[in-house]
Amino acid sequence: AQTVTQSQPEMSVQEAETVTLSCTYDTSESDYYLFWYKQPPSRQMILVIRQEAYKQQNATENRFSVNFQKAAKSFSLKISDSQLGDAAMYFCAYRSADNFNKFYFGSGTKLNVKP
Amino acid sequence: DSGVTQTPKHLITATGQRVTLRCSPRSGDLSVYWYQQSLDQGLQFLIQYYNGEERAKGNILERFSAQQFPDLHSELNLSSLELGDSALYFCASSPTGLADVFNEQFFGPGTRLTVL
Repeated sequence: AQTVTQSQPEMSVQEAETVTLSCTYDTSESDYYLFWYKQPPSRQMILVIRQEAYKQQNATENRFSVNFQKAAKSFSLKISDSQLGDAAMYFCAYRSADNFNKFYFGSGTKLNVKP
Repeated sequence: DSGVTQTPKHLITATGQRVTLRCSPRSGDLSVYWYQQSLDQGLQFLIQYYNGEERAKGNILERFSAQQFPDLHSELNLSSLELGDSALYFCASSPTGLADVFNEQFFGPGTRLTVL
């Protein structure tokens, strides 16, 4: 089974600075999808960014970007110009491209943003 | 607002009891997923339904069961409840269960279950 590892349980960043959250995964599949979800204190799960494994170009969504290293099975999230509203739990997720569509989530990284 | 609704928002019950959690997916979404999130933990995938049929199973206990109805809403039944079942239960939906599209999941607000 696929596993998703987020090795940083908690991180802190100063407002307006840049922070990178790490995610690695283990899979024998060649085609899959990767996601970062944000869970603020409201506990709502919000999609931040997504990446298709067959695309070499790293995805970008405004201040959020990823560094996808397929060979290394690494999918890190970079948050630029951090804002107080970015404070949340961030979950990395892997979705198989097969017909079963199972999602696998990492254990999460709690991001604190200091004013 | 993701368009996914879950009821009830909060549920408090006693050990040994049975509860039913309800989920209505976004309009047009055929796939429904159930997840369990214990305190300060990640998301544990429980089960997925696609257009009324079970599609994938995760770490779902035998005391738990789910179904998806013809109108595509889904229910998660938890029986013989134990203290350790206290958690936030999320439902998520996606447009299809097929592999050829992104199929990002849209999450509901969750049902917080407390077993005393």
